[in-house]
Amino acid sequence: DVKVTQSSRYLVKRTGEKVFLECVQDMDHENMFWYRQDPGLGLRLIYFSYDVKMKEKGDIPEGYSVSREKKERFSLILESASTNQTSMYLCASRLLGVDNQPQHFGDGTRLSIL
Amino acid sequence: RKEVEQDPGPFNVPEGATVAFNCTYSNSASQSFFWYRQDCRKEPKLLMSVYSSGNEDGRFTAQLNRASQYISLLIRDSKLSDSATYLCVVTRAGTALIFGKGTTLSVSS
Repeated sequence: DVKVTQSSRYLVKRTGEKVFLECVQDMDHENMFWYRQDPGLGLRLIYFSYDVKMKEKGDIPEGYSVSREKKERFSLILESASTNQTSMYLCASRLLGVDNQPQHFGDGTRLSIL
Repeated sequence: RKEVEQDPGPFNVPEGATVAFNCTYSNSASQSFFWYRQDCRKEPKLLMSVYSSGNEDGRFTAQLNRASQYISLLIRDSKLSDSATYLCVVTRAGTALIFGKGTTLSVSS
């Protein structure tokens, strides 16, 4: 079974802080993703990565950056946290190159910016 | 046109009912299709992949119409435990999965 682990279930930070959300997967998947989920807006793609040191912007990358130094780890960084970044953040991984491969999600991090 | 569109519901049905969810997608290049299920305050979990020929998994049947860019999910003999939000998902350029906003189902006794 694929295991995607996010470092925190709940996190409270202050406006202006630099925030790191960590995600680790244990299935050697090439693709990793960060989404945020907000009521009425569904899941929106922030960034994704094809492989180590590779990254691609998703639909809402503003205010975020990512880091993929090792294949199993994909970090989301809020450079200067703002209250509109309060959200549920979901990390996922996926096997590349095989049709109909689903994404596997971590439990999510509920981030509150005060 | 939104990339993935679903009727948000909610669908309120009694136990034993048959319920159908529909989804349309705008990118004709999409290659992979899925239905995910999400329980309240939990992460989305794969319910089933959707194949061109249609596929069934127990009480759940998924259909894909590529010409109309339309996906459906049929749930037969609904159970209380089927209450959740159902997310229609398609791939964008073979990589990222793009999610619809979800359809909420509530099954009552």
